[in-house]
Amino acid sequence: DSGVTQTPKHLITATGQRVTLRCSPRSGDLSVYWYQQSLDQGLQFLIQYYNGEERAKGNILERFSAQQFPDLHSELNLSSLELGDSALYFCASSEGAGGPYNEQFFGPGTRLTVL
Amino acid sequence: GENVGLHLPTLSVQEGDNSIINCAYSNSASDYFIWYKQESGKGPQFIIDIRSNMDKRQGQRVTVLLNKTVKHLSLQIAATQPGDSAVYFCAGLSGGSYIPTFGRGTSLIVHP
Repeated sequence: DSGVTQTPKHLITATGQRVTLRCSPRSGDLSVYWYQQSLDQGLQFLIQYYNGEERAKGNILERFSAQQFPDLHSELNLSSLELGDSALYFCASSEGAGGPYNEQFFGPGTRLTVL
Repeated sequence: GENVGLHLPTLSVQEGDNSIINCAYSNSASDYFIWYKQESGKGPQFIIDIRSNMDKRQGQRVTVLLNKTVKHLSLQIAATQPGDSAVYFCAGLSGGSYIPTFGRGTSLIVHP
């Protein structure tokens, strides 16, 4: 158990819908990272928040947004969902702002299926 | 950014054998690498890391080798056990980057 929790574990929805994925980092970790994992793209970095502020942005679509709240939990919002958004979404956390030796601890993931 | 890729999608070994998982990278400025293990139904888990000023680093039953000349790193697992069955990813960081770039992964299957 990494100490990172994600809810829900599974999510099934229809195209055009909007969903919210939730992540609670390990106690004491200030950074939260969101990744998308699909069979054809591997693990893709989406966005990072550090202590409530956006720190780094990766290949995140404009239909996706995230935020980190004062209690450091984070939410990833996915809207106007398409079939291609079906994937595993992982949240990770680290103590520091990222970079070498800032080990990221991954949650168990949310499996999103868009029908 | 970093372009990190894995040579083999699947590696099958017998229990007790040594396993070698390979990874190539394209950015010669990459200076830090990480190996992750992802078991079925779980998120990736850190195994071992190495800086570019090293060519070898050992952990418990695992060794990472880095060859900067050919931009290649490998993960060696000694005396592979069924519990080692998982997907293994390498990830790289180049100077100034805070976010690792992950390779596609190699599935290691250990037969008892």
